[in-house]
Parts: sequence; structure tokens; C-alpha cells
Amino acid sequence: DSGVTQTPKHLITATGQRVTLRCSPRSGDLSVYWYQQSLDQGLQFLIHYYNGEERAKGNILERFSAQQFPDLHSELNLSSLELGDSALYFCASSVAEGKPNTEAFFGQGTRLTVV
Amino acid sequence: AQSVTQLGSHVSVSEGALVLLRCNYSSSVPPYLFWYVQYPNQGLQLLLKYTTGATLVKGINGFEAEFKKSETSFHLTKPSAHMSDAAEYFCAVSDGRTGGFKTIFGAGTRLFVKA
Repeated sequence: DSGVTQTPKHLITATGQRVTLRCSPRSGDLSVYWYQQSLDQGLQFLIHYYNGEERAKGNILERFSAQQFPDLHSELNLSSLELGDSALYFCASSVAEGKPNTEAFFGQGTRLTVV
Repeated sequence: AQSVTQLGSHVSVSEGALVLLRCNYSSSVPPYLFWYVQYPNQGLQLLLKYTTGATLVKGINGFEAEFKKSETSFHLTKPSAHMSDAAEYFCAVSDGRTGGFKTIFGAGTRLFVKA
């Protein structure tokens, strides 16, 4: 158990809908990262938050947004969903402010299926 | 821009045989390199990392990797495969310039271990 909790584990929704994925980092970790893992794109970095502030953006669509709350949990909001958004979404956390040599601890992911 | 190439999307070995998973990276500055393992229905778990110093890095579960700057490689090895090593392995690179944790992952190599 990495200590990172993601809910829900599975989510099935229809195209055009909006969903929210939730992540609770390890106790004491200030950084939260979101990744999307799909068969055709592999593991893609989406966004990084540190102590409530956005720190880095990757290949995140404009239909997607995230935030980190004062209690350090994070939410990834996906809207106007398309079939191609079906993927496994991972959250990871680390203690430091995203220093490149920092180990990230991954949650078990949320599997999103858009039908 | 950084990139990671993992040679071979699937590798199959017999139990007790040598495991060799190949990773080549591209980075214009000294890289930080990681190997992560993903078991079915699990998040990613750090196996080992190279930051600075000794180029031969030992990780968990008997795995090790050698950083070879001249070959821009960071291949993962294990002398004797065990059935429990069957999983997907990801090589990743980040560099010291990025303020956020914009680690780039390879496409992954799925390791099969035959009895």
C-alpha cells in the first residue's frame, strides 16, 4: 500500500458527461501529480500541484482541470467526455516540491470508461 | 526535449533466466533516471533511481540498472527471474531544469516469466 488513495476505483459514464476523480496523498506529502494511462498513449503526465498551487502542466486537455485543496487532497475534473478519454487515471504524491530526483508514490488508479 | 525509448513492448524469459529490459533516453542535461514496476491492477512502484554518483544502481527485488552516459542507456537487469517478476516495467527520465515534476515515462515493457 503506497498510502495514496484514489476514488472511485471504477467509473463508467456516457459521452458528454462530466466526472470528478479524487486523490488523497500520503500523509505529509505536499505534491500531487496526475497521469493518464491509455493503451495508445502510454503513461502521460497531466499536471502537478504543490501545496495548493499549480506547478507544471503536461498533456492536459482544456476539457480537463484539476485543483488541490487546503487539506492537500486533489480532484481531477474531466468534462465533455469523449470515448477517447477512457483510460486509467493515476494520482501520485511526493513530499518535495517536485524535485526531479524525488520518488513519487502512486495510487491504484481510477479506471474511467466512457460509453 | 526529453524522451525515453524502451526497446521491446514484451519480453519473455524462463524462470531462473537473466532479465534484461532496455531503456535509452534523450536529455540535453544530466538526467535523473527511474525504473518503475506496475503489477496488474496496481499503481506504479519505484524499483530504483539514478541521480548522481555511482552508475550501477541497486533496487528492490534483486533488480539493478547501470547508467551509461556514452550509450544514453539505463538498462534494467536481474540475474535470475522469478514468477513474481511478471509485470509491466517503465523507464522514466526527468531533468534538473523543470520546476515541476514533469517526468517522462517510456511506453513500458511487459515481462512474462515462463515456468
